[in-house]
Amino acid sequence: KAGVTQTPRYLIKTRGQQVTLSCSPISGHRSVSWYQQTPGQGLQFLFEYFSETQRNKGNFPGRFSGRQFSNSRSEMNVSTLELGDSALYLCASSWITSDQETQYFGPGTRLLVL
Amino acid sequence: SQQGEEDPQALSIQEGENATMNCSYKTSINNLQWYRQNSGRGLVHLILIRSNEREKHSGRLRVTLDTSKKSSSLLITASRAADTASYFCATDEALYGQNFVFGPGTRLSVLP
Repeated sequence: KAGVTQTPRYLIKTRGQQVTLSCSPISGHRSVSWYQQTPGQGLQFLFEYFSETQRNKGNFPGRFSGRQFSNSRSEMNVSTLELGDSALYLCASSWITSDQETQYFGPGTRLLVL
Repeated sequence: SQQGEEDPQALSIQEGENATMNCSYKTSINNLQWYRQNSGRGLVHLILIRSNEREKHSGRLRVTLDTSKKSSSLLITASRAADTASYFCATDEALYGQNFVFGPGTRLSVLP
């Protein structure tokens, strides 16, 4: 069974631009969570989607948004990019809920904002 | 502030030695999980321990959980160079709407 895939793996953008990252969960998994990882803040939860609905949201500004499609694939969008948005963005999937079960992580998308 | 806090922040040992990492958390949890991350890549799940469990083993890994002290430890026995990675604990306490909170991690270096 294929693991969690994320595209693209690397991305360079400039301040003010927007970016869309994609995540394909493990087949059959319905919960997808997104995390931001930076050296200064560590791993921080962005949001979780289940059956196309956002179920939980972390403490991030509204520039960060996401969605989930009927096939459980998820996208996250960051608008009006800032230098501080440079980070590794990780996607994780699980069967039903991320807090009671093992999450399986993708390799991440490394975003650099210049 | 983060729920899970690993200790130490960095650990350097020789191959064959045991490595122990600790994690403390602040509020009640349903479960605690340990993950490994190799050099800026995705996280790999190691082990999940539920709040009603005290100890769990998986290969060379041993995890303990003390809910009275709100702490957990991860022991890696007979370490190998391939164990070099960052190790994170994660708890399921909901804070600010989050449902999964990671600690800052322990960076383990296993020297050959």
